[in-house]
Amino acid sequence: DQQVKQNSPSLSVQEGRISILNCDYTNSMFDYFLWYKKYPAEGPTFLISISSIKDKNEDGRFTVFLNKSAKHLSLHIVPSQPGDSAVYFCAAGLFSLGYQKVTFGTGTKLQVIP
Amino acid sequence: GAVVSQHPSWVICKSGTSVKIECRSLDFQATTMFWYRQFPKQSLMLMATSNEGSKATYEQGVEKDKFLINHASLTLSTLTVTSAHPEDSSFYICSAVDRGFGEQYFGPGTRLTVT
Repeated sequence: DQQVKQNSPSLSVQEGRISILNCDYTNSMFDYFLWYKKYPAEGPTFLISISSIKDKNEDGRFTVFLNKSAKHLSLHIVPSQPGDSAVYFCAAGLFSLGYQKVTFGTGTKLQVIP
Repeated sequence: GAVVSQHPSWVICKSGTSVKIECRSLDFQATTMFWYRQFPKQSLMLMATSNEGSKATYEQGVEKDKFLINHASLTLSTLTVTSAHPEDSSFYICSAVDRGFGEQYFGPGTRLTVT
């Protein structure tokens, strides 16, 4: 049972344009959501997070939107740069339990074309 | 920033042997460490949660006798794959939670190939 899903396995975007990566989850108990960036043969790198009490969090070129009623979150990257090319994982957790166990989505491979 | 290291970065072993992978938090203390496994083109699957000084908590479907986890100190957790088989070949990643700030930091991963 995949509780966190990223339905697009890959995405190609022109440099300078907006990249939008989507993520859906099924467990309404999740109260904290994160996005990670991962290069091949490396561990994930934390990008940005959002708690369930918010609907938007912004950090530089990265913005995460949360729609709790739809159980959907998205990561916007503006403007996209070639260095953003990587696999992006969304993750969801139950931090209200004081526990950082997270469930990862299946990943979306982003390619930013120069 | 916080750094988590893993050793070795890659290892090739013969079927039936055991392999130990180390995960270290280099500049912070980690009361909790997680072990993940990633198959090609798939998500990171949580294998177990390791708490310093206590037994690891394994996810459903993960054999605790095959994947031995020891969290001996606040900076070191080890994963031992016992009697490895080719199907254990995978990319293993650990993460550590900073006791002070609660952030989760990931190691660079270990590529295990069992021949």
